[in-house]
Amino acid sequence: EVQLVESGGGLVQPGGSLRLSCAASGFTFSAYEINWVRQAPGKGLEWISYISTRGITIYYADSVKGRFAISRDNAKNLLYLQMNSLRPEDTAVYYCARGDQKSVAFDIWGQGTMVTVSS
Amino acid sequence: EIVLTQSPGTLPLSPGERATLSCRASQSISSSYLAWYHQKPGQAPRLLIYGASNRASGIPDRFIGSGSGTDFTLTISRLEPEDFAVYYCQLYGSSPPVWSFGQGTKVEI
Repeated sequence: EVQLVESGGGLVQPGGSLRLSCAASGFTFSAYEINWVRQAPGKGLEWISYISTRGITIYYADSVKGRFAISRDNAKNLLYLQMNSLRPEDTAVYYCARGDQKSVAFDIWGQGTMVTVSS
Repeated sequence: EIVLTQSPGTLPLSPGERATLSCRASQSISSSYLAWYHQKPGQAPRLLIYGASNRASGIPDRFIGSGSGTDFTLTISRLEPEDFAVYYCQLYGSSPPVWSFGQGTKVEI
């Protein structure tokens, strides 16, 4: 079964750090671009980061640029999101989402991991 | 920055009815860069349509995407109980490379 499973979420104080992981299975992870998308409680979807198949090309949304870092380990089928200088407005469910090879859409999503930034 | 505006915000309908959801871009975009998703409570989004009109794998043919330029539409020909959800359109913008979502349309009973 093609699957993405996020982990690493939790409660963190403002200014703190957290690293999220996304474990891929059921497909050739190294052949796919991957993204992180978040959703604040009761709100819509916000794309926050992209990484190319070999990790050479990376993009960020302005809202996280300079604070978050995306990376991947193709040997371990893992995607990461290092989140630093966290703010209350970063509170959200964080999803990893696979880039569709036929288009620029996201064809497979994980179930999400909740990050709460609060004192 | 191109902004996507979805309408209506909420669409009250009954099973068996036709749903018409709108997604309008603030400037003309390539149809190749427009996708639709739906999201049920407590679940991750699911890709329905890519390239404005192509159904994703496993998506029933009652979901129909159309449009070009600045105006795009998702039509659900006959609503099934499992179709009541929030629907998002998504745009890929190449300069700079970003993906953005509309604010969503909730299809409710």
